[in-house]
Amino acid sequence: EPEVTQTPSHQVTQMGQEVILRCVPISNHLYFYWYRQILGQKVEFLVSFYNNEISEKSEIFDDQFSVERPDGSNFTLKIRSTKLEDSAMYFCASFGRESYEQYFGPGTRLTVT
Amino acid sequence: AQSVSQHNHHVILSEAASLELGCNYSYGGTVNLFWYVQYPGQHLQLLLKYFSGDPLVKGIKGFEAEFIKSKFSFNLRKPSVQWSDTAEYFCAVRNGNKLVFGAGTILRVKS
Repeated sequence: EPEVTQTPSHQVTQMGQEVILRCVPISNHLYFYWYRQILGQKVEFLVSFYNNEISEKSEIFDDQFSVERPDGSNFTLKIRSTKLEDSAMYFCASFGRESYEQYFGPGTRLTVT
Repeated sequence: AQSVSQHNHHVILSEAASLELGCNYSYGGTVNLFWYVQYPGQHLQLLLKYFSGDPLVKGIKGFEAEFIKSKFSFNLRKPSVQWSDTAEYFCAVRNGNKLVFGAGTILRVKS
C-alpha cells in the first residue's frame, strides 16, 4: 500500500535556527498538508497546499513558516527561526480524491532547545 | 467552523471489556467524520470514516462507529478490546479540505 514518508524522524535544533522538515506524499495525490501535535495536545492543522500554492493556513502558520514543493515529489515545511514552543510532532498528510481520505506520514519530532 | 469534542481523555479497560469512546462535533452542514488511531511511537492510521449512507460504519480491527445526526455524535465502539488496542484515538471532522481533530482519548487495556 502506498504511504507518506517523512524525514528526519527526529530533529533537535537550537532556538533561532532554521529547520526544514521533508515529506514525500503519495505520488498521485494533489493536496498536501502539515499538521502538528504539541506533546499532550490535539493534532492541529497548519497549512494545506494545492496546485503549487497554499490553499489554506491556520493562525499558527505565521511568517516564520513556509512550505514548498521543490521538485514534484517532495513537500517541505521550513521554520525560519525556531522557538521553544515549536517543539512538537509534525505530520505531513496527502489527500486523494479517490477515497477522500487523508493519509498521514509517521511524523517528525522536532525538539527546540 | 467545525469543532470536535472527545469527552474522555483517559480510559482504562481490562481485556475483553467493551469500549465506547464519545465524540461530538459542531454542526456545519454535511459532515465527513473520521476516527484515527495512533499506536505508541507510530503515525496516525485511519480506523473508519463516515461520509453518507448507513450511519453504522464498520472499520478495521473490529471497530465500528455510529453517526447519530440528532445528537451530533460519532461514537467509536468495540465489543471486546485487546491489549493491542492500547493507543490514542482521535475523532476528526472534515472542514473544507482539512481535518479538525478532537483532543484525543488515550486508551490503556490491561492484560
